[in-house]
Amino acid sequence: GAVVSQHPSWVICKSGTSVKIECRSLDFQATTMFWYRQFPKQSLMLMATSNEGSKATYEQGVEKDKFLINHASLTLSTLTVTSAHPEDSSFYICSASAGRSAYSNQPQHFGDGTRLSIL
Amino acid sequence: AQTVTQSQPEMSVQEAETVTLSCTYDTSESDYYLFWYKQPPSRQMILVIRQEAYKQQNATENRFSVNFQKAAKSFSLKISDSQLGDAAMYFCAYRSMEYGNKLVFGAGTILRVKS
Repeated sequence: GAVVSQHPSWVICKSGTSVKIECRSLDFQATTMFWYRQFPKQSLMLMATSNEGSKATYEQGVEKDKFLINHASLTLSTLTVTSAHPEDSSFYICSASAGRSAYSNQPQHFGDGTRLSIL
Repeated sequence: AQTVTQSQPEMSVQEAETVTLSCTYDTSESDYYLFWYKQPPSRQMILVIRQEAYKQQNATENRFSVNFQKAAKSFSLKISDSQLGDAAMYFCAYRSMEYGNKLVFGAGTILRVKS
């Protein structure tokens, strides 16, 4: 149980285009989802936390208009990288939790990640 | 804010031997969770072991065990009988019990297993 599916696993696109990454919880209701960014051989950096039906909470330094997060249902969150440029190339990982953001002891379940390459 | 420090960028171990990965953290909270995650070349995040801070007993999962020293804010991972499949990046992570479900990750340790 507790499977999180992330799609696509790898995407290559031209500079200036927008790219959407999906994160789905397959067998549980994910009230909270997290989006991370990871550079090669580096740690995971939290970008934002989203609760179903409400606006995402972005970490300091993350551009809200560049990285649009939508968590419209209990099983799906999307990250859209708008007007992507080569510096946005990275590995993006989502995770999902059945608990609410605060006061939750529900574990995070990770997707397999998306490798984004902007030419 | 909580911080997690992994001071070993890379470690090597001979197959079947034992290796210990270090992790220290900084927090003013008394209750929290600590985790070790494994990230193999496939880049999937795999939970290895978790420890609740209020539990004095060190967590164990088969060949993986931790040495949790709350006063010293230390949380090391011991891998016994190392196998080739253990080769991966290992991340130590902290999660507050009071301030939500966020995970704070350390910088990671690359573990290489020699045959």
